[in-house]
Amino acid sequence: DVKVTQSSRYLVKRTGEKVFLECVQDMDHENMFWYRQDPGLGLRLIYFSYDVKMKEKGDIPEGYSVSREKKERFSLILESASTNQTSMYLCASSAGTGIHEQYFGPGTRLTVT
Amino acid sequence: AQSVSQHNHHVILSEAASLELGCNYSYGGTVNLFWYVQYPGQHLQLLLKYFSGDPLVKGIKGFEAEFIKSKFSFNLRKPSVQWSDTAEYFCAVHNNDYKLSFGAGTTVTVRA
Repeated sequence: DVKVTQSSRYLVKRTGEKVFLECVQDMDHENMFWYRQDPGLGLRLIYFSYDVKMKEKGDIPEGYSVSREKKERFSLILESASTNQTSMYLCASSAGTGIHEQYFGPGTRLTVT
Repeated sequence: AQSVSQHNHHVILSEAASLELGCNYSYGGTVNLFWYVQYPGQHLQLLLKYFSGDPLVKGIKGFEAEFIKSKFSFNLRKPSVQWSDTAEYFCAVHNNDYKLSFGAGTTVTVRA
């Protein structure tokens, strides 16, 4: 069964802290994605990666960075958390090139105070 | 950039009522279309998808969607909803790159 896991379901951080969100997939997928989900805005793509050590900016990359050192793991980093980064963060993965279904993790609800 | 519009923010209906959720997209070229669903407390999961062929697509749990190219639409339908269909529904469009563009989502509340 396909599985995408995220390191935390809930996280509370203070303004200015460095935050790491981890995502692991067990499907040997090439592509991995980070989204944030906000009410009324749907899912917005932050970054994605189509291969190890490769990354591409999504629609809202400002204030975020990513790391993909291994195929199965994709990390989202908030260098200096701010209150406007309070959100639900979703990780997803998909297979190969072309069009494939994305599989989502359970999400991490991050609150920055 | 691709934009995806979902017409309804929140829909409330009774069990056994019919459901139709609108989705329109802006890109005029070849697209691939998805509906995802997020049940309360659960992962986002695929409901159905359209890549090519028959524009009427059937998905899980009795849902179907119709792709109308001339209207840039991919509306989701279910003839008779159940309380368990209470969820948030997202339309998504994929074209020519790795990225999916999502609509804002429609919250569906089904009253028993």
